[in-house]
Amino acid sequence: AQSVAQPEDQVNVAEGNPLTVKCTYSVSGNPYLFWYVQYPNRGLQFLLKYITGDNLVKGSYGFEAEFNKSQTSFHLKKPSALVSDSALYFCAVRDWDGGSQGNLIFGKGTKLSVKP
Amino acid sequence: KAGVTQTPRYLIKTRGQQVTLSCSPISGHRSVSWYQQTPGQGLQFLFEYFSETQRNKGNFPGRFSGRQFSNSRSEMNVSTLELGDSALYLCASSQGTSGGELFFGEGSRLTVL
Repeated sequence: AQSVAQPEDQVNVAEGNPLTVKCTYSVSGNPYLFWYVQYPNRGLQFLLKYITGDNLVKGSYGFEAEFNKSQTSFHLKKPSALVSDSALYFCAVRDWDGGSQGNLIFGKGTKLSVKP
Repeated sequence: KAGVTQTPRYLIKTRGQQVTLSCSPISGHRSVSWYQQTPGQGLQFLFEYFSETQRNKGNFPGRFSGRQFSNSRSEMNVSTLELGDSALYLCASSQGTSGGELFFGEGSRLTVL
């Protein structure tokens, strides 16, 4: 069965510092991986995805993520955090058990807090 | 291009009632998925519809049902509401391919009293 883990419930960083939000996965098929962000009382917004190709994926709002097959990780990173980056971040993996297309399985989410 | 639209945004029901939530996907998207989000359980997959057919289903009781119309609009229904059904219900649309990302609506927040 597919699964995704976000080991940190909350990450605190100072504005201007680099940030990392961690994600590890377990899949039986190809690891199609996604990152989403959710602001209070809003839906989820797509940030980036890894399907194949370069291990470093660049996405929206200056975020990037590094796919590491040996460590089964897909950590989200940003070189310089902004206060406006404060939100809930979700890592997700395609569920191949759900059929050829499958649905997404989401992690529990990591609350990112960026202080001025 | 208009995003995913969910209605209503907020609603309050009492135990035993039923509720219908609506979702209009992005134009051209044929897949609509529904998720339930709660503080305790996080995001849980309910079901996915593709071209009016249910393609995938999560582990929810039969009280939760859905359908998709020929214009790709989707509805989900919850019958005999329970207190535990209080949640944010999120709809997402996509092209329906395995590598495609989901585009989410703002959600419908259901409170069951």
